[in-house]
Amino acid sequence: KQEVTQIPAALSVPEGENLVLNCSFTDSAIYNLQWFRQDPGKGLTSLLLIQSSQREQTSGRLNASLDKSSGRSTLYIAASQPGDSATYLCAVKFGFGNYQLIWGAGTKLIIKP
Amino acid sequence: ETGVTQSPTHLIKTRGQQVTLRCSSQSGHNTVSWYQQALGQGPQFIFQYYREEENGRGNFPPRFSGLQFPNYSSELNVNALELDDSALYLCASSLGQTDTQYFGPGTRLTVL
Repeated sequence: KQEVTQIPAALSVPEGENLVLNCSFTDSAIYNLQWFRQDPGKGLTSLLLIQSSQREQTSGRLNASLDKSSGRSTLYIAASQPGDSATYLCAVKFGFGNYQLIWGAGTKLIIKP
Repeated sequence: ETGVTQSPTHLIKTRGQQVTLRCSSQSGHNTVSWYQQALGQGPQFIFQYYREEENGRGNFPPRFSGLQFPNYSSELNVNALELDDSALYLCASSLGQTDTQYFGPGTRLTVL
């Protein structure tokens, strides 16, 4: 069964720290992996998308890496700010031609001023 | 270019009722996917519509049904509502069946 897991479920850090969020998946034959941000009660904002052939993607203070052999992706946030507080979700599209996204349950991140 | 929009934003129904949620896809997108997100969980895939035909379905009962119209907008219908149907319903559109999905803001459904 194809599954996506995110640990920890919640994380609280002081402002200014660099931090890493983790996503693991059960099948290395992925098509792509995407990181999303969700604010309370809101929809999803796409942050970064990594294709199967890529090792990492960067956008501003965010860097996402992909290691298919170990079934892991990490989202690195540099110099965290209170505005980064949100739930971060990882979604995987398994296999070429697949249309369905399989989601982790998310990591709720709180940045303390 | 407008993004994905959903209506209504919030909805309260009672058990046993029926509900229709609506989604307007991003301009040029012919594929719409629907997801259910329960509180504290990741979204669960309900189904996908491509050029007005359902072309994939997750583990949801038949009382969850949908439509896609010629302009590629879409509806999600849920019959015989149950308390567990309370969730955020998300719609996503894409250029094709396997392309990047762009999400709307969601409809928050509460079943009492």
